[in-house]
Amino acid sequence: QKEVEQNSGPLSVPEGAIASLNCTYSDRVSQSFFWYRQYSGKSPELIMSIYSNGDKEDGRFTAQLNKASQYVSLLIRDSQPSDSATYLCAVNTGGTSYGKLTFGQGTILTVHP
Amino acid sequence: SAVISQKPSRDICQRGTSLTIQCQVDSQVTMMFWYRQQPGQSLTLIATANQGSEATYESGFVIDKFPISRPNLTFSTLTVSNMSPEDSSIYLCSAGLSTDTQYFGPGTRLTVL
Repeated sequence: QKEVEQNSGPLSVPEGAIASLNCTYSDRVSQSFFWYRQYSGKSPELIMSIYSNGDKEDGRFTAQLNKASQYVSLLIRDSQPSDSATYLCAVNTGGTSYGKLTFGQGTILTVHP
Repeated sequence: SAVISQKPSRDICQRGTSLTIQCQVDSQVTMMFWYRQQPGQSLTLIATANQGSEATYESGFVIDKFPISRPNLTFSTLTVSNMSPEDSSIYLCSAGLSTDTQYFGPGTRLTVL
């Protein structure tokens, strides 16, 4: 079983809609969770981090964490064509604060006008 | 965040040769990491570059193939040795500004003929 799995894509949503990206992880001791955005030909860009159960909002982005279900998600409200990218879920699987990140396979999001 | 630069940004190399990739951070950081992103794939951690000690390699990666240096708190190098076409990938360095949060350099796109 893969350590970090993301919902299969690609995901296509119309402009203005909510895009929902999901991720599950297998290591119960993980404490830190991240969402990165990667545009084609570019390096990953950190957009959200979350450490506690519940929701964390930053502008149009909301990260949701449920440690009991080992589930983390990212909602993008009012999606824009500029949000079209690959979204990578990353989990600190080092077991400590040593910072080892394990990435999911990524979900390609396309926002069409 | 931090400003992270990598050199070279891309290179085309011949089979059997070696390439050293440099990563420079604009501030002192405790943790630096090296990742590989094969075409169409997600990121895989190669090793953690520890300042003042040997790098810590992940399963499937060995020092003879990917020697790493970390001479100070702002700089690291990754060498890809005895290259084959299978080494064609994007190589990314990241810096951990806190032990959990990582920011990525722009990447080095390597093609091995």
